[in-house]
Amino acid sequence: QVQLQESGPGLVKPSETLSLTCTVSGGSMSNYYWSWIRQPPGKGLEYIGYFYYSGSTNYNPSLKSRVTISLDTSKNQFSLKLSSVTAADTAMYYCARGQGHYYGLDVWGQGTTVSVFS
Amino acid sequence: SYVLTQPPSVSVAPGQTARITCGGNDIGSRSVHWYQQKPGQAPILVVYGDSDRPSGIPERFSGSNSGNTNTATLTISRVEAGDEADYYCQVWDGSSDHLVFGGGTKLTVL
Repeated sequence: QVQLQESGPGLVKPSETLSLTCTVSGGSMSNYYWSWIRQPPGKGLEYIGYFYYSGSTNYNPSLKSRVTISLDTSKNQFSLKLSSVTAADTAMYYCARGQGHYYGLDVWGQGTTVSVFS
Repeated sequence: SYVLTQPPSVSVAPGQTARITCGGNDIGSRSVHWYQQKPGQAPILVVYGDSDRPSGIPERFSGSNSGNTNTATLTISRVEAGDEADYYCQVWDGSSDHLVFGGGTKLTVL
């Protein structure tokens, strides 16, 4: 059974870079889309971006200038970096696995809360 | 960018059938997925590819996607108290090549 676990600082100061890691256990990273999704308090789900195992990436246009997602298959991890954060980036951040456009996101991490304030 | 529209809330009595809609332009040509999110928990996939269920999801959960009405529907039969949650639809927007979520629907079991 594949499991995902997010980790990283729960507090980030404005203008700094948010960095999170998702550790994949119980399965291979090959042939999947590795995604980040966030959810501001009391609001809906927002797509951040994905890294496909072959090396391609895709980011939400509204965040594209500030987002980098990378993959480290040797550690079975993928990471999110979001630069120049503001209070609007305060949210629960989820990592998730996708098998392709037909299959949706079938495995999710439990989420990690990130708050931006000075 | 592509927009998915869901009703903010749906209410249903236990044992009845709940229908949650997801509207979008030409949605019938896209593969629609549905997620259930209970308070304090991560979302889980309950329907993918318009109408398929992941392993472990009860048959009470079903999905449909009609191109004629520009609406996809998640149907929950014989609703139970434990089905009370937020439900989100999601598609892949081919033009921008990224995921799009609907705004979510809060299902209340009366």
